[in-house]
Amino acid sequence: EAQVTQNPRYLITVTGKKLTVTCSQNMNHEYMSWYRQDPGLGLRQIYYSMNVEVTDKGDVPEGYKVSRKEKRNFPLILESPSPNQTSLYFCASSSDSSGGYTFGSGTRLTVV
Amino acid sequence: EDKVVQSPLSLVVHEGDTVTLNCSYEVTNFRSLLWYKQEKKAPTFLFMLTSSGIEKKSGRLSSILDKKELFSILNITATQTGDSAIYLCALTSGTYKYIFGTGTRLKVLA
Repeated sequence: EAQVTQNPRYLITVTGKKLTVTCSQNMNHEYMSWYRQDPGLGLRQIYYSMNVEVTDKGDVPEGYKVSRKEKRNFPLILESPSPNQTSLYFCASSSDSSGGYTFGSGTRLTVV
Repeated sequence: EDKVVQSPLSLVVHEGDTVTLNCSYEVTNFRSLLWYKQEKKAPTFLFMLTSSGIEKKSGRLSSILDKKELFSILNITATQTGDSAIYLCALTSGTYKYIFGTGTRLKVLA
């Protein structure tokens, strides 16, 4: 089944403790993105990747890192999480940067 | 700066009604405009529009783009309670960013 797999689904962590949210897709898609979704603010793009080793900042990249060492994986790293990063996070992939996304199921992150 | 504005913010209708959701945008180098439906989980893709005046249709849903006036509409005819969701409009451009509007929340009452 074609899908984007995100893990974990739920995560509660403490301020400053490094964490990684994994994202993997099995559709050989080139374009992958991370979004955070907050009430009233909608989906905001954190980082995107056009292909392996090609990443760029979205609209809200501060406090996040990404890497794209393999085509299928696009992990999101929070080196020192803070409470303002409490949010619902989605990974998404598409065959190209202008096409329809397949989204992962989401990761609800709480930083206390 | 590229921008997407959706209206109305929310809408309550009765089953059988027809609704029109609006998406206006500002963009430097347009590539595509897309519509998504989000229920209690991840958004699902509905339509991608790249050319003006060509209607995309899927069942009771249809959408059209006007690149001169910089807007798109999503129509839903004969609404059902299962259409209750947040409808999201997204824009892609030459910057390779992929930005979303804040959505229209639709509630269909039985």
